[in-house]
Amino acid sequence: EAGVAQSPRYKIIEKRQSVAFWCNPISGHATLYWYQQILGQGPKLLIQFQNNGVVDDSQLPKDRFSAERLKGVDSTLKIQPAKLEDSAVYLCASSLGASGGSTDTQYFGPGTRLTVL
Amino acid sequence: AQSVTQLGSHVSVSEGALVLLRCNYSSSVPPYLFWYVQYPNQGLQLLLKYTSAATLVKGINGFEAEFKKSETSFHLTKPSAHMSDAAEYFCAVSAAARQLTFGSGTQLTVLP
Repeated sequence: EAGVAQSPRYKIIEKRQSVAFWCNPISGHATLYWYQQILGQGPKLLIQFQNNGVVDDSQLPKDRFSAERLKGVDSTLKIQPAKLEDSAVYLCASSLGASGGSTDTQYFGPGTRLTVL
Repeated sequence: AQSVTQLGSHVSVSEGALVLLRCNYSSSVPPYLFWYVQYPNQGLQLLLKYTSAATLVKGINGFEAEFKKSETSFHLTKPSAHMSDAAEYFCAVSAAARQLTFGSGTQLTVLP
């Protein structure tokens, strides 16, 4: 079974530029998550989708970050414009349950390492 | 609110020695608890999870963790460390918020 795919793996941009990350979850997984992992910290949830809809985006900086999950499958996370403090690894995860329950096992992709200069 | 504290950002053990990684949680409702492992340049992989069944949970690669409500702890152990166990380990809690809240991680080094 293929895992969660993410691209690109690495991205370097200048501040104030825009960037987009792509995620393809495990086939059949209803719930998709985007996390931000700053160096030396644990992952922090940015946004959670169940199928097409947003379940939780309370920690997403909506003035610069946006995300969409068209057709309930793959997803794109965008930052526009980027700031220095956005340098981090962006992890995508998916889980099977349509309810996004607390016990669902989340399967993580390898992440995209973003460096903002 | 829910939170996790991992004591010790770096732990070193000798190969063959006991591994003990500490995790304490805070939650206003009964929690679900998880341990994930992250190898360099890879995503997180689930080691084990506690979902209110048995308090001693066995996971992959010989790891286990014990849920102790009185101590609000969920420490991760392995009787004998192997070189391949060197990685970063994250404890996480999911409770009323329904989302995973991660600790800041513990980097495990295994010395030959």
